[in-house]
Parts: sequence; C-alpha cells; structure tokens
Amino acid sequence: DGGITQSPKYLFRKEGQNVTLSCEQNLNHDAMYWYRQDPGQGLRLIYYSQIVNDFQKGDIAEGYSVSREKKESFPLTVTSAQKNPTAFYLCASSIEGTSGRYETQYFGPGTRLLVL
Amino acid sequence: QQQVKQSPQSLIVQKGGISIINCAYENTAFDYFPWYQQFPGKGPALLIAIRPDVSEKKEGRFTISFNKSAKQFSLHIMDSQPGDSATYFCAASMWYSNTGKLIFGQGTTLQVKP
Repeated sequence: DGGITQSPKYLFRKEGQNVTLSCEQNLNHDAMYWYRQDPGQGLRLIYYSQIVNDFQKGDIAEGYSVSREKKESFPLTVTSAQKNPTAFYLCASSIEGTSGRYETQYFGPGTRLLVL
Repeated sequence: QQQVKQSPQSLIVQKGGISIINCAYENTAFDYFPWYQQFPGKGPALLIAIRPDVSEKKEGRFTISFNKSAKQFSLHIMDSQPGDSATYFCAASMWYSNTGKLIFGQGTTLQVKP
C-alpha cells in the first residue's frame, strides 16, 4: 500500500524546544517537499529536496531545518528560532513524469503542531 | 510576481448549482496550473491540471478554463454535490526550474448545501 506517512498527527511544543516531524514515503519518489498551512494563507514552501543529501530552502525556511539521508525519509525540525510554529505541516513527494517534469505532488495526512 | 491570487475566500452553493473559483497570476513563466482539493484534517490531493497550450480541460464535473492573455484560470464544478464541500487551492509552477515547486493560491472553502 504505497503512500506518504506523517507522524505524529498532533505535536505539542514547549517554549525553547526543538521538535521533529516525520515524513516517510514508499512511492520511490525522488523529490520531497515540506509545506506550512495557515488559515487563509494557502500552502507555503519551507524546504524541498530532489536527491539524497541535498535540499533547498523554500519561501519560509527561517526557524526550520531538514535532512535527507535516505530517499524515503525527509524529516523536518522546527527549532526554537521559529517564533510562531503553530500550524498544519504537510509533506509531499513527486516524481518526474513522462514530460520530464515534476508535476503532481502527493501529500501526506499532515501534522498539526501546537505550542504549549 | 511569484504570487497566485485566488478568489473568493469562501463560497456557498446549493446542491446542483455551479461553483466557480478564480485565480490570477503575473509571472508569464508559469506553465503548469493544477487544482488541489483538501478535506478537513487531510492533505490536499490533485483534482485537475492544465497547461497553457489549451483553453479548457474537463474531467467529469470539473472543468478548468484558462485565459492566457488575461493570466487567469478558473475551476468550475458543475452539478455541485455536498461531497464536494472542501477547500480548493489553485497553484502554478515554472517549466525552467524543474524543481516541482508549486506556488499556491490562498484557498477557497466551498460549502455545498443539500
């Protein structure tokens, strides 16, 4: 049963704490993405990666870090430098289609991060 | 110039009616325009997509209309059903980057009343 899994579904962060959100895919996709979703603001790109051991900043990377040690996994760490971390975090993956382009993104079920 | 502007923010339609959501962009380098559907508490899923070489694409009750000169595209949902109640996002990407990066609109929450 192929897909993208994100864990946990809910995560609580205390002041000054770093937390890590998990994203795993068994679709054999090369590219993976992290988005942040806030009400009324759509999805904003945090980081993305197209190959193992390489990743690029998106539009709102400050206060976040990622790693891509395995093709299947792309964890996101929300650091204490992120002052407003409360949001719904979505992980996605993609593969080059017959057009030679990354087009369709497949999303996981999301992690809701709340600050205590 | 990287933005995609989506309207309306929310929409209420009677069952059987037509739902219309509009998006506009500035960057002419955008050349792939997908629409994603998201149910509460779930991740978005691709609904339908269009490239600028066609002015319309239809899949079942869902149609994208594309106006290249006006830099606008819209989603039409015909015979709207309560099961269509969800948040819809338009998006755009650029061919030359080939990173798959999508620029999303702000989203439209659709409620279809029985």
